[in-house]
Amino acid sequence: AQSVTQLDSQVPVFEEAPVELRCNYSSSVSVYLFWYVQYPNQGLQLLLKYLSGSTLVKGINGFEAEFNKSQTSFHLRKPSVHISDTAEYFCAVSGSWGKLQFGAGTQVVVTP
Amino acid sequence: EPEVTQTPSHQVTQMGQEVILRCVPISNHLYFYWYRQILGQKVEFLVSFYNNEISEKSEIFDDQFSVERPDGSNFTLKIRSTKLEDSAMYFCASRVKLARPGEQYFGPGTRLTVT
Repeated sequence: AQSVTQLDSQVPVFEEAPVELRCNYSSSVSVYLFWYVQYPNQGLQLLLKYLSGSTLVKGINGFEAEFNKSQTSFHLRKPSVHISDTAEYFCAVSGSWGKLQFGAGTQVVVTP
Repeated sequence: EPEVTQTPSHQVTQMGQEVILRCVPISNHLYFYWYRQILGQKVEFLVSFYNNEISEKSEIFDDQFSVERPDGSNFTLKIRSTKLEDSAMYFCASRVKLARPGEQYFGPGTRLTVT
């Protein structure tokens, strides 16, 4: 069985400050990990994914994440956030048949 | 850029009624999914569909739910007798192939309100 834990339900951050969103996973098999973003009243958009290879993954909009197998983590970071980064962020792990198991989400609120 | 579309964007129905939520996946995609998100909660997997049959389903996907790909382009989710607790945002997603796991492309969702 696979599961994902997002440790922070809400992260307030000032504009141009860095942000880190934490994600831990559990899995008995090889994992594929994803971060999705959901802007208000919109669907889910893929930010980045880890399938194999380099543990540092770069995504869209300046986000990056690091896969750490020993700590079973896949934390998302951005060095300098914009107001437009205000959204909900979901960590997900891929299971059999490509089914995605999502974490509970982290709401990022960027203020000036 | 191709995208997944869903209709309607918002559906209001009375408890006990049947609803059909429609999705048009990206044309060359082979794997299709339905997820739901109850307000304020996480996104939950409902069902995956490949080669005209269900490949995996969750505990949520009971006998009240069914999926169909009636005409090679649409992918539908039917709820036979809606309950209040079915109120949620329903997302359709599609994917190119399974051999190399890749991202799923999500539609904008249908907000279902059961009264």
